[in-house]
Amino acid sequence: AQKVTQAQTEISVVEKEDVTLDCVYETRDTTYYLFWYKQPPSGELVFLIRRNSFDEQNEISGRYSWNFQKSTSSFNFTITASQVVDSAVYFCALYLPGGNTGKLIFGQGTTLQVKP
Amino acid sequence: DAGVTQSPTHLIKTRGQQVTLRCSPKSGHDTVSWYQQALGQGPQFIFQYYEEEERQRGNFPDRFSGHQFPNYSSELNVNALLLGDSALYLCASSLGGDFDEQFFGPGTRLTVL
Repeated sequence: AQKVTQAQTEISVVEKEDVTLDCVYETRDTTYYLFWYKQPPSGELVFLIRRNSFDEQNEISGRYSWNFQKSTSSFNFTITASQVVDSAVYFCALYLPGGNTGKLIFGQGTTLQVKP
Repeated sequence: DAGVTQSPTHLIKTRGQQVTLRCSPKSGHDTVSWYQQALGQGPQFIFQYYEEEERQRGNFPDRFSGHQFPNYSSELNVNALLLGDSALYLCASSLGGDFDEQFFGPGTRLTVL
């Protein structure tokens, strides 16, 4: 079965703290893609990053970084020096390509609250 | 460059009624996917339209149907509404029937009473 688990339902931090959002996925497919999306209160999902299963290099983009570890089936997301504007719901998602059976599976989401 | 637009923003219906939601993809995109997001949950994939055909479908009953027009815009229709259909319905557009780099619209909030 394919599944994405975001065990942290809610996280609250104070501005400038670092915070890591966990994502664990399950799939038997060898080819897959992992995503992170941000959903601010406005409701619109904002794409943050995509990773394919053959690229385990970690990535850094400004204050954001991602740690992909196939050995533990995890794709964690770290925000360094968090800001109030980072407050949102963050979703991890798994995409399994495959013609008519390809599908995108989202986790339950982690609500991040950054307090000033 | 207009992004993905959806209409209406909010909608209130009663059980048993039918509803139509609309989506216009980002300029240059030819693929539209629909998602249902219940309160406090992650989005659930309903189906995807590409080249005016339903290309892929998630685990949703036949009450959920859709259409894609020649200009790539799309409609989501839900018949015989149930209370459990209350959710935020998100539309996402992309290119070439792919899920890569989907751009999402702001959603339509459907409330079924």
